[in-house]
Amino acid sequence: GAGVSQTPSNKVTEKGKYVELRCDPISGHTALYWYRQSLGQGPEFLIYFQGTGAADDSGLPNDRFFAVRPEGSVSTLKIQRTERGDSAVYLCASSPLPGPADTQYFGPGTRLTVL
Amino acid sequence: DQQVKQNSPSLSVQEGRISILNCDYTNSMFDYFLWYKKYPAEGPTFLISISSIKDKNEDGRFTVFLNKSAKHLSLHIVPSQPGDSAVYFCAANAGGTSYGKLTFGQGTILTVHP
Repeated sequence: GAGVSQTPSNKVTEKGKYVELRCDPISGHTALYWYRQSLGQGPEFLIYFQGTGAADDSGLPNDRFFAVRPEGSVSTLKIQRTERGDSAVYLCASSPLPGPADTQYFGPGTRLTVL
Repeated sequence: DQQVKQNSPSLSVQEGRISILNCDYTNSMFDYFLWYKKYPAEGPTFLISISSIKDKNEDGRFTVFLNKSAKHLSLHIVPSQPGDSAVYFCAANAGGTSYGKLTFGQGTILTVHP
């Protein structure tokens, strides 16, 4: 079956622009997570969705970052007024259920470069 | 504040020998630990996990050991194979949460030489 897909795979933008990153989770997975991986670091938690609602957005760096999951499936991470420090790989993961023992399946990520 | 630390950025091992990857954590609320493996241009894939009620979990060539008093865990790969060459991430989940928010270490690049 299809895994988690993310589009675009690469995004280059200029400082100050707005970007949207899309995540298509595995069908039927109720839990969806966004992580950000900077160079030389491990993934860092951004936000967690259970169904349509953001149950935990404590990892979002500031109010320029926002994410939605309106129908409980596809999610979009939105970044306003991008800064060079936002450059990273943005990873999405989904799991059938939200428990810690429920395996998270990661997408290949979107590499965002802010010039 | 790095709550999960992998202090070895890289490890090089001969094929057939044992690979030992180490991970330390500081948050005593962590009670579930996982190892993920990542190839270039792919997302991390789950490898093995361990609950804090255990001190060892084994799955084929992979064994994870947990020492709660030392806040240390390790992943053993025996025997190592060239296809094991990848970045390995240690991750942890805090108890009391009802979902799988993970805190990752920085990763260790494992290279297995034929």
